Amino acid sequence: GQQVMQIPQYQHVQEGEDFTTYCNSSTTLSNIQWYKQRPGGHPVFLIQLVKSGEVKKQKRLTFQFGEAKKNSSLHITATQTTDVGTYFCAGGSQGNLIFGKGTKLSVKP
Amino acid sequence: EAGVTQSPTHLIKTRGQQATLRCSPISGHTSVYWYQQALGLGLQFLLWYDEGEERNRGNFPPRFSGRQFPNYSSELNVNALELEDSALYLCASSIDRGYEQYFGPGTRLTVT
Repeated sequence: GQQVMQIPQYQHVQEGEDFTTYCNSSTTLSNIQWYKQRPGGHPVFLIQLVKSGEVKKQKRLTFQFGEAKKNSSLHITATQTTDVGTYFCAGGSQGNLIFGKGTKLSVKP
Repeated sequence: EAGVTQSPTHLIKTRGQQATLRCSPISGHTSVYWYQQALGLGLQFLLWYDEGEERNRGNFPPRFSGRQFPNYSSELNVNALELEDSALYLCASSIDRGYEQYFGPGTRLTVT
């Protein structure tokens, strides 16, 4: 069946360093969504990308959707301790949303 | 606007018992999704309801079931509880299939 793979599973960074998580689908996606789950919290929707090659920015966060609409990335510039949490991508296909396993980010002050 | 609500917050059951978890979606949302999140793991899709019908089901045994009521609220039932069912159960709603999902705070189920 359709799979959405996300790497890395864990990432430990020093505050101020950059961070990137990657998402790859086995099939072409209609859209990609990104969510953030803070420790002890629930996933919160961050953004949706729909167009091939689309790039969107939210302050220090940059989201990209690949040209083939099979991969995506989330890049955080100059991480802060408030960025701690698990970042999930979710690929949309035929109305279904398939979540990746997430990347858990820890930031050392 | 009120968010997705879930009850109870915590639920403790013993092996073999049945658990019922409840979810109220955001007003105007017709799709409700259920996920299982075991400690430290990702989101495992359980069930999707829309307009009162089960639309899709994840790779879980039949003892995981649910329903959606006419007011779009939903219930997840887990029968014959096993120790490995201990997890955070998250409910999410969306305005329609494929749109962004809004998650509730979850129900922490502990099976002893």
